[in-house]
Amino acid sequence: DTGVSQDPRHKITKRGQNVTFRCDPISEHNRLYWYRQTLGQGPEFLTYFQNEAQLEKSRLLSDRFSAERPKGSFSTLEIQRTEQGDSAMYLCASSLSNGVQFFGPGTRLTVL
Amino acid sequence: DQQVKQNSPSLSVQEGRISILNCDYTNSMFDYFLWYKKYPAEGPTFLISISSIKDKNEDGRFTVFLNKSAKHLSLHIVPSQPGDSAVYFCAASETYNNNDMRFGAGTRLTVKP
Repeated sequence: DTGVSQDPRHKITKRGQNVTFRCDPISEHNRLYWYRQTLGQGPEFLTYFQNEAQLEKSRLLSDRFSAERPKGSFSTLEIQRTEQGDSAMYLCASSLSNGVQFFGPGTRLTVL
Repeated sequence: DQQVKQNSPSLSVQEGRISILNCDYTNSMFDYFLWYKKYPAEGPTFLISISSIKDKNEDGRFTVFLNKSAKHLSLHIVPSQPGDSAVYFCAASETYNNNDMRFGAGTRLTVKP
């Protein structure tokens, strides 16, 4: 399977804990995106990378959120001091510079 | 800010009939529009797109229509099949590079055999 993969698929954590998610994009894709989706809503853009450079961040990305793509391949999204409002599906997508975004299956986060 | 709106949360059609999913947008700078389909436990899958220089794009059973003056687009599926049952998201961006896509809330389509 050469699609976008995300790990873990599900994460349950207690309020105040830190969590980290990983995304492996399609190998030749230079762009990588993170989205958040809550129940009954469409995906909301969080941030994107062109190779290793983080080029844009949404105002939804509070200072508790940090994303990295150190070698321009996989990416991690870390949430520090999780809150119940962080419970959502976190989607990763990748694309070529002028291409359609291909999404991974998502990581469902539940903060108790 | 809901710049992309899908006002019908659900739609049910009979197999073989036409499904019409609607989407409205408010940002006149949007010039590239996409439809994604999402099955449970999977990420959204790209279905079809249209740029603002066109008013129609067709791919097999799927056709997207764009009315720029009305800031409205629609997805037609004909004939509808039970396997089309999924949540359909409309998305828009200001550039073809679609760095910052805005999604609608989705419409759940159910195609009954």
